[in-house]
Parts: sequence; C-alpha cells; structure tokens
Amino acid sequence: DADVTQTPRNRITKTGKRIMLECSQTKGHDRMYWYRQDPGLGLRLIYYSFDVKDINKGEISDGYSVSRQAQAKFSLSLESAIPNQTALYFCATRESGANTGELFFGEGSRLTVL
Amino acid sequence: QKEVEQDPGPLSVPEGAIVSLNCTYSNSAFQYFMWYRQYSRKGPELLMYTYSSGNKEDGRFTAQVDKSSKYISLFIRDSQPSDSATYLCASTDSWGKLQFGAGTQVVVTP
Repeated sequence: DADVTQTPRNRITKTGKRIMLECSQTKGHDRMYWYRQDPGLGLRLIYYSFDVKDINKGEISDGYSVSRQAQAKFSLSLESAIPNQTALYFCATRESGANTGELFFGEGSRLTVL
Repeated sequence: QKEVEQDPGPLSVPEGAIVSLNCTYSNSAFQYFMWYRQYSRKGPELLMYTYSSGNKEDGRFTAQVDKSSKYISLFIRDSQPSDSATYLCASTDSWGKLQFGAGTQVVVTP
C-alpha cells in the first residue's frame, strides 16, 4: 500500500458544488501539505499543517479550506468549485526538522470543474 | 516573478544522449537544492539533493549548484527511455520553505 493515499483519484464536478479531497498517510510524519499542479506553473502550495493544531495558508489558499482530522489525515475542501480550480492536486508529507526538503507525495487527485 | 525559474520544455533526446536540465533562482537564502522526478500519473519523488554549492553524483545523474550565479543543473548520462518524465527543481531555505520550478518534461526516444 502507498505511504500517502489520496481519494478520489479522479473527480468531475460542476461549478458551485462542494468537493472534498482526502489524504491519509502511514509515514508517521507531522507535516502535511496540499499542492496544486498546473501546466507551466509547477507545484503551488495551497495549505500546510505542522501538526493537528497548526494549519497555515500557502500561496494560493483563496477558495480552499482544510481540516487536519488526525496526524495521519489532512483533507482539502473546495466550498464552491469554479472552473479555474480544475487541476491536479497533490498531498505530501514531510518529516519534522527535515530542511533538506524531501516531500513524500501521493499519486494525485485530478479534479475537473465544468 | 517565481523564485525558481525552469523552462517547461518539452526536451526530446535520443537514447544514449546526455540530458541537461537547468533552473535559476532568486532567493539568496536558499541552501538546499533538489531535483524531483515525476512520471506520468504519479506524484513527484525526490531524485537528488545538494547542500550549498558543488556537485553530487549518483550513478548516471549529476546535480550541480552554482550559488554565485544562482544556477541549478541536472545532467543525465546515457539517457534511457525509462528516464522520460518531468523533472522539477526545488530549493529551500534554512526554515524549510520550499519553492518548486515549473518542471521540464523530458522525452527519451529509443
């Protein structure tokens, strides 16, 4: 089984719908991240969490919210999806104090908003 | 302007050729420099990292950092079709703030 698991892997929805992307990990890492990936723009940070009580906005948090339900679970919500939120979303984990920058990514959730 | 700039490609090379990938960065506080590899429909995986300036070699892969010019490079020798992927450079400062380049798609043709 994958160390970082994302569900769903693919989702097509309509404008205005609420969507939740879920992430769970078995690596035992405290730090968890949500990124979106768009062609030509690379990975951009949406939200990150250093532990269950510590949640921080990334560079593109508008239109998104997150919940850290447990050390192993970090979910991303789009309260009212819009077409420009169509993207590939990645959850990632990182060991505390690991400033070398090694992130462990899930396999991604492809979201299409019509 | 992004703190880490990378040409998205695609870069197409014949099997056996040397692949040369480059990034530039603007933040002088960056200390760790990484290359991630991302296969189609997969998440990125760390390929190599270097600390400060210098070279690091791992098999067919060599990573170089020149902090004086703020230039990051990755070379792949004797490229194989299995090297076809998107390669993302990334940098982080001492606080662990990580910035990614846009990623370069590499296609190695048999």
